[in-house]
Amino acid sequence: NAGVTQTPKFQVLKTGQSMTLQCAQDMNHNSMYWYRQDPGMGLRLIYYSASEGTTDKGEVPNGYNVSRLNKREFSLRLESAAPSQTSVYFCASSDVASEKLFFGSGTQLSVL
Amino acid sequence: KNEVEQSPQNLTAQEGEFITINCSYSVGISALHWLQQHPGGGIVSLFMLSSGKKKHGRLIATINIQEKHSSLHITASHPRDSAVYICAVQPSGTYKYIFGTGTRLKVLA
Repeated sequence: NAGVTQTPKFQVLKTGQSMTLQCAQDMNHNSMYWYRQDPGMGLRLIYYSASEGTTDKGEVPNGYNVSRLNKREFSLRLESAAPSQTSVYFCASSDVASEKLFFGSGTQLSVL
Repeated sequence: KNEVEQSPQNLTAQEGEFITINCSYSVGISALHWLQQHPGGGIVSLFMLSSGKKKHGRLIATINIQEKHSSLHITASHPRDSAVYICAVQPSGTYKYIFGTGTRLKVLA
């Protein structure tokens, strides 16, 4: 049981480049989330998906797109990376029946 | 004012001390989570509370829904407890979570 698998762990991009962060969970959870974590700030929600086929904007969605490919997978895409998107990104999943939030191991992204 | 406030922001303790971390929130919630994040590491869920009190090993979490307040206690603290502890609330009727900025705990041997 791997939980939440998030790739890559590290990435360096140049301004304007694009990339996709991948996330998959094997717990059959309905809800999946993408957060960013910046120094001195709490985790901030970028996008979330309450169930397969649905996605909604969170607190800081600008510059990002998401895709809930199926119940397992929820990807985050940066179409044209900017230095302000330098951050640590976490994917998470949960379910009504679950008493826990499960997080991926994080992606440290630097945009130069 | 943030919807979730944690105190203290930083805490240094000697091994063996009893530690309390507080979380206050301003919205109606269906659940509150306590999370642990080790330096350079991932985030692990410790507790989910909707009422009362939960205990796991040396960790105890309490919540007072009427006062919109939760506490995380660590008994007989140990250097391996050094981490950032994060409070997250799930507002009623939503799938989202709102996170505090965390309490950075350092336990000295």
